[in-house]
Amino acid sequence: QKEVEQDPGPLSVPEGAIVSLNCTYSNSAFQYFMWYRQYSRKGPELLMYTYSSGNKEDGRFTAQVDKSSKYISLFIRDSQPSDSATYLCAMSVGAQKLVFGQGTRLTINP
Amino acid sequence: EAQVTQNPRYLITVTGKKLTVTCSQNMNHEYMSWYRQDPGLGLRQIYYSMNVEVTDKGDVPEGYKVSRKEKRNFPLILESPSPNQTSLYFCASGVGETQYFGPGTRLLVL
Repeated sequence: QKEVEQDPGPLSVPEGAIVSLNCTYSNSAFQYFMWYRQYSRKGPELLMYTYSSGNKEDGRFTAQVDKSSKYISLFIRDSQPSDSATYLCAMSVGAQKLVFGQGTRLTINP
Repeated sequence: EAQVTQNPRYLITVTGKKLTVTCSQNMNHEYMSWYRQDPGLGLRQIYYSMNVEVTDKGDVPEGYKVSRKEKRNFPLILESPSPNQTSLYFCASGVGETQYFGPGTRLLVL
């Protein structure tokens, strides 16, 4: 069993829809939870960074962490074609060594 | 501008021919790391460095070497590349909310 599980998709939704991306994990020691966005032929860029449980909001993006269920989510409101990318969840025990999910490929259709 | 640069961006080589992928950062970060990205497996850490002259293995170090003689540079060395090292490689600099990834190096070993 992988430490971090993420549905690879692909996921295709119409513009303006609310997108929900999810990851589950098995290591209860994880404390730092991140979402990265990766455009084609580019390196991952940090989108959201949270410590421990709870919600964090940044514009159209909301990250949720439920440590009791070992489940994290990223919500994208009012999705735009420019949000089309691969979204990677990542987590770590300390702040350094990241364990990544395999990424979900998302397409927003105009 | 915060930047992580990698060279070359694309490389085709043959089995057994030594190669080096360079990585450089301009943010004065102490922590740097290398990842490989493969379909269905996500990003996996190869090696990391806490500071100059301090390096350690990640999850998939076999067949790779690194060195950290200067703070800004962290080259990845493949002494005798094999086809199973065909992959997309990313250098990363920094930790947590200040971690940045390079643009990637696509390597094909024939």
